[in-house]
Amino acid sequence: QVQLQESGPGLVKPSETLSLTCTVSGGSISSYYWSWIRQPAGKGLEWIGRVYNSGSTNYNPSLKSRVTVSVDTSKNEISLKLSSVTAADTAVYYCARGLYVRFDDWGQGTLVTVSS
Amino acid sequence: QSALTQPASVSGSPGQSITISCTGTSSDVGAYNYVSWYQQHPGKAPKLMIYDVSNRPSGVSNRFSGSKSGNTASLTISGLQAEDEADYYCSSYTSSSTLVVFGGGTKLTVL
Repeated sequence: QVQLQESGPGLVKPSETLSLTCTVSGGSISSYYWSWIRQPAGKGLEWIGRVYNSGSTNYNPSLKSRVTVSVDTSKNEISLKLSSVTAADTAVYYCARGLYVRFDDWGQGTLVTVSS
Repeated sequence: QSALTQPASVSGSPGQSITISCTGTSSDVGAYNYVSWYQQHPGKAPKLMIYDVSNRPSGVSNRFSGSKSGNTASLTISGLQAEDEADYYCSSYTSSSTLVVFGGGTKLTVL
C-alpha cells in the first residue's frame, strides 16, 4: 500500500517561495503522474500541477508562472515550489498519485499559511 | 467560481438513494469519459470513489455508482449510511490548458 507524506514549512512570508516535499513509500514512482492539489480552508480543490516519472510536467495556467513541480526518483520524492506567495496561497496542500487525470492515492495534506 | 457546477448540498435518510450532479461543458464532461468523484470527510484527504465516469476502485462499496449524460455527470449513492456523510467533489479532464478541473463540492447530509 503506497503512502504519501507531505512535508515542509507551515508558515511562509509573503513574496517568498513555498517549498514542499512529498515522500513516497511502499510503492514505485514509475509509471504514475504525481500531482499537487490545494484546498483553502472551507473551499474546494484546485489542481496545481503534475510531473510524470520521466520528468515531464503540466501546470494549471493560473499558477504556471510561479510553479515548479519536480521528481527525484532516487529519493522517491516529489517537490513543489510556488514563488511570490500571497495570503491567497494559504491552503492545505496535498500530493496525489494517479493515472492520467485521476487521483488514486493522496497524502494526508499539509497546511501552509502565508503571513508575515 | 469552479469550472464544474455541483449543488452545494444534498441530503437523504438512511437507506435512501441520492444523486449528486456535476455539470460541465462540451470541453470537459461532455467530451471525455474522464470524470472522477472524490469523497472527503472533515479534516481528511479526499478519497477516489469513481473514475472514468462509472468505474469503482477496488475496495469502494458498490453502493456508489457513476454515470454521465451530455455535459452532466452524476454520482448516485444507494442505501445511504451515516458514514456517507461527507463532501463530494467531481473532476474532469478538460481540453483547455487547465487539464483538470474540479467541481465546487457538495455537502451530503445523512438525516
